[in-house]
Amino acid sequence: DGGITQSPKYLFRKEGQNVTLSCEQNLNHDAMYWYRQDPGQGLRLIYYSQIVNDFQKGDIAEGYSVSREKKESFPLTVTSAQKNPTAFYLCASSPFSNQPQHFGDGTRLSIL
Amino acid sequence: GESVGLHLPTLSVQEGDNSIINCAYSNSASDYFIWYKQESGKGPQFIIDIRSNMDKRQGQRVTVLLNKTVKHLSLQIAATQPGDSAVYFCAENSLPGGGADGLTFGKGTHLIIQP
Repeated sequence: DGGITQSPKYLFRKEGQNVTLSCEQNLNHDAMYWYRQDPGQGLRLIYYSQIVNDFQKGDIAEGYSVSREKKESFPLTVTSAQKNPTAFYLCASSPFSNQPQHFGDGTRLSIL
Repeated sequence: GESVGLHLPTLSVQEGDNSIINCAYSNSASDYFIWYKQESGKGPQFIIDIRSNMDKRQGQRVTVLLNKTVKHLSLQIAATQPGDSAVYFCAENSLPGGGADGLTFGKGTHLIIQP
């Protein structure tokens, strides 16, 4: 069954810590994306990658980092520089060029 | 600022009635639009999409209408069922000519189904 898997579902971070959110897809999609969703809000783009070993900043990239070493994987690191990291993080993928994006079921990050 | 928005944060309809969810966008260069449904604690689920060379597209129980003159998008759900309760988002990809750019989302409309 093809899809996008995000893990963990819930994650807690201490002040000053970096944490990494996992995103894996077996849809053979070229493009992958990370979004942040705050309560009662739409999604905002953090980073996206159109191809392996390449990625671009989205609208709110500050305090985040990504890597794309494999086509199926696009992990997101929330660094200590992100001052308000509590949010619902969603990963998505799509075939290249203007196709619907398919989403995982998200990771909810909270600060201890 | 956000270029895609919703007219109403909450829409309540009777089960069996038709629902219409509206969306306004401000970027006239937008050429691709998507509607997503998001249930609590889950990721958005693709419903239907439409490109700017079309005015209307139909799916199973859903219809999307695009009015480029007034930059307005709507989603119509026929014979609304309890399982339709969710938050509905419109989104646009405003990169002309396509390309795997990120989407710009509206804030969403919460559809509530009354029994």
